Amino acid sequence: GQQLNQSPQSMFIQEGEDVSMNCTSSSIFNTWLWYKQDPGEGPVLLIALYKAGELTSNGRLTAQFGTTRKDSFLNISASIPSDVGIYFCAGPHGSGNTGKLIFGQGTTLQVKP
Amino acid sequence: ETGVTQSPTHLIKTRGQQVTLRCSSQSGHNTVSWYQQALGQGPQFIFQYYREEENGRGNFPPRFSGLQFPNYSSELNVNALELDDSALYLCASSTGTSGPLTKNIQYFGAGTRLSVL
Repeated sequence: GQQLNQSPQSMFIQEGEDVSMNCTSSSIFNTWLWYKQDPGEGPVLLIALYKAGELTSNGRLTAQFGTTRKDSFLNISASIPSDVGIYFCAGPHGSGNTGKLIFGQGTTLQVKP
Repeated sequence: ETGVTQSPTHLIKTRGQQVTLRCSSQSGHNTVSWYQQALGQGPQFIFQYYREEENGRGNFPPRFSGLQFPNYSSELNVNALELDDSALYLCASSTGTSGPLTKNIQYFGAGTRLSVL
């Protein structure tokens, strides 16, 4: 079945450093979503990607839809302490864009001030 | 604030019991999806309700069931609880089930933390 693999599983970085994480799949996805989850909260959508090769930014965050349609990347520039949390990639479950999502296992980010 | 509220926030049950979790959708949203998030894992899709009908189900047994009401609020019911049901249960609301995903961005509640002893 469909599965999303995220790497790295966790990162511990110094404030001000840039961060890169990725998400891969054995099957093609037509949409890639990146969410962030803070402790005690639900996931919050950061960036949505709908087209192969697309590069989209949201403030210090930039995400790319891989050209093979089997991967996506999220970069955070000049990290700050509030970037701490778990970052998930997600895509539509099954065929079509029906809003039913499959998630990766997450990348946990810790930022040292 | 996403406008999606879930209750209760925490719940403790014993094995074999039944539980009902509740979700109030964001205003104007007619679709509700439920997810189970085990510790250290990403959310897993349980099922989705659209206009009071089940509209797709993930790999969960029939003892996981749901309801959606005319005001689009929703319940998740789990019968015969097992220890492995301990997890964070997330509800997400959106505006529809078809068309580009741009129109179906899901907004998540903070979840209900269920512990089964």
